[in-house]
Amino acid sequence: QITLKESGPTLVKPTQTLTLTCTFSGFSLSTSGVGVGWIRQPPGKALEWLALIYWDDDKRYSPSLKSRLTITKDTSKNQVVLTMTNMDPVDTATYYCAHCAKNWFDPWGQGTLVTVSS
Amino acid sequence: NFMLTQPHSVSESPGKTVTISCTRSSGSIASNYVQWYQQRPGSSPTTVIYEDNQRPSGVPDRFSGSIDSSSNSASLTISGLKTEDEADYYCQSYDSSILWVFGGGTKLTVL
Repeated sequence: QITLKESGPTLVKPTQTLTLTCTFSGFSLSTSGVGVGWIRQPPGKALEWLALIYWDDDKRYSPSLKSRLTITKDTSKNQVVLTMTNMDPVDTATYYCAHCAKNWFDPWGQGTLVTVSS
Repeated sequence: NFMLTQPHSVSESPGKTVTISCTRSSGSIASNYVQWYQQRPGSSPTTVIYEDNQRPSGVPDRFSGSIDSSSNSASLTISGLKTEDEADYYCQSYDSSILWVFGGGTKLTVL
């Protein structure tokens, strides 16, 4: 059974850097074809894909946020870390990580709500 | 890049059939698989259709997916509507640079 869980701060101030960790079980990020993605959802709004890292360390970023995002993995710890710089109130959202195989996301973590406010 | 456009909301009565569309703005809808996710209030999204028309195990066969190249769109059809189907539904695909795109979501109300 694959499970993922997001962790990180619930509140960050504007201009700060957000660091989120996705801890997963039930699969290995060293298995060919496997990836872990990050997706966010502002309150009451749609899903937005942010970043994805593959088993071979190939990294993909949303073009609109690429300059602010960094995704890394620690295979031994079964973790994927997403950092987002220069946080703004419009970045307030629930952030999800999800297992990715064959370019679709399943399953998803429970999500973590991050509020950006001074 | 491309966009996926969905109707903001649809509503139908229990027992009826509803179809939610997802139109691709550029490039062929058939060039990359389309997935559909269901998101109930307060919950994470779950997959109801993957690879255009495949159902994950555990998803009832009341859910079906299709693509139509003539309208460059994908569709999610739910038959025999139940109140438990009331949720937001998102389509998702990707482009040739392997970048993921989600539709704006459709709120399904089962009256």
